[in-house]
Amino acid sequence: QKEVEQDPGPLSVPEGAIVSLNCTYSNSAFQYFMWYRQYSRKGPELLMYTYSSGNKEDGRFTAQVDKSSKYISLFIRDSQPSDSATYLCAMSENTGNQFYFGTGTSLTVIP
Amino acid sequence: NAGVTQTPKFQVLKTGQSMTLQCAQDMNHEYMSWYRQDPGMGLRLIHYSVGAGITDQGEVPNGYNVSRSTTEDFPLRLLSAAPSQTSVYFCASSRNRGYEQYFGPGTRLTVT
Repeated sequence: QKEVEQDPGPLSVPEGAIVSLNCTYSNSAFQYFMWYRQYSRKGPELLMYTYSSGNKEDGRFTAQVDKSSKYISLFIRDSQPSDSATYLCAMSENTGNQFYFGTGTSLTVIP
Repeated sequence: NAGVTQTPKFQVLKTGQSMTLQCAQDMNHEYMSWYRQDPGMGLRLIHYSVGAGITDQGEVPNGYNVSRSTTEDFPLRLLSAAPSQTSVYFCASSRNRGYEQYFGPGTRLTVT
């Protein structure tokens, strides 16, 4: 079983929609949770970073962590065509030395 | 700042050849790492370093060597290339452990 599971999609939504992206994990020791965005043929770029449980908001993006269910989510409000990319979740134990990534969800926002 | 730079961008190797993928950062970051990205597998950690002179294995270290003689550079060596090492390789760096990693543009490697 992989440490981190992520639905690969693809996900296609109209411009302005609310997008929900999710990951599940098996290691209850994970404490740091991140979301990266990766455009085609580019390196990933960090979007959001949360520690332990709870919500974090940054502009149109909200990250949620539910440690009891081992489930994390990223919500994108008022989605734009420029949000079209692959979204990767990543997580780590307290040491922060080794991060485990999901396989990524491909999102297309249609104008 | 150039951020994280990787060379070469593309490389084709024959089975059994060796080569070094270069990675450099100019942000004075202590933490650096190497990942490979394969379809359906996501990013997997190969090796990482928490500072000059300190390296450790990640999830998939076999067939790869690293060293960290300076804060800026973290080269990845393929000892004897195999077709299974065909992948896109990303280097990343971070000021504080692996949090908030900045990724390079990647090296696309094909082993025939």
